Amino acid sequence: GAGVSQSPSNKVTEKGKDVELRCDPISGHTALYWYRQSLGQGLEFLIYFQGNSAPDKSGLPSDRFSAERTGGSVSTLTIQRTQQEDSAVYLCASSLVATRGLGTDTQYFGPGTRLTVL
Amino acid sequence: AQSVTQLGSHVSVSEGALVLLRCNYSSSVPPYLFWYVQYPNQGLQLLLKYTSAATLVKGINGFEAEFKKSETSFHLTKPSAHMSDAAEYFCAVSSGGSNYKLTFGKGTLLTVNP
Repeated sequence: GAGVSQSPSNKVTEKGKDVELRCDPISGHTALYWYRQSLGQGLEFLIYFQGNSAPDKSGLPSDRFSAERTGGSVSTLTIQRTQQEDSAVYLCASSLVATRGLGTDTQYFGPGTRLTVL
Repeated sequence: AQSVTQLGSHVSVSEGALVLLRCNYSSSVPPYLFWYVQYPNQGLQLLLKYTSAATLVKGINGFEAEFKKSETSFHLTKPSAHMSDAAEYFCAVSSGGSNYKLTFGKGTLLTVNP
C-alpha cells in the first residue's frame, strides 16, 4: 500500500481481556516501530523491529505487552489482561532502515489504533 | 539520555501571522531533530528533520526550523499562518546508539483564528 496501515482503527474491550493490534508497514521497509500516545504520558516508544527481530523492547510497559513480526512485514502488538491504564492510541511506524549514515531514517506513521479499556 | 521540552501546550495565532513553536532538547551526544504534525484522528506526518547538515532546515507547507547548538533549540517557524495549519505539532529527538528511537515532546496545539 501507499502508507502504513493499522487495524482496527478503534477497539473497545473489557478489563482483563486480551487484544491484538495489527500493523502493515510500507512495502520494503525493514524497520518497524510501535509507539503509544496517551493523555498523561504523551508519545512513548514501545518496541523496534529490524526485520523479524526486536533489538529493543525497552519501552514495553510490562510483561503483559508483547509484539512479533513475521516475514519481515506485518507486526502484531498483543496486550494481555488489559487494564484501564492501557487505554491510549497505539501508533505504528516504519522506515526503510533503522539508521543511515546521516542518522535516523525517516519514520512514517500509520493512523493509529485507539484502544479503550472499560 | 535525551529529552525534549516544548514550551506552550497551546499557541493561538491569527491567519497571516507568524507561527513560532518552541522546542528545546537535551542530549549528551549530537542529536537528530524532527518536527512532526498531527491532524485530528490521523497519524504523524514529518514536517522536517535536522541531521547535522545545514542548521536551517526547510520542510513542507512553508515551515522551517533552525538548529542552535548553543541554545539547544530547534524552534519551528512559518512566516504566515494558514487556517489549514491548525493541528498538533511534536518535536522529537534521537541520538547516540539508540538513534532509531524517537523521544517526543508533549506537543503544541496550534490554533489559527480567521
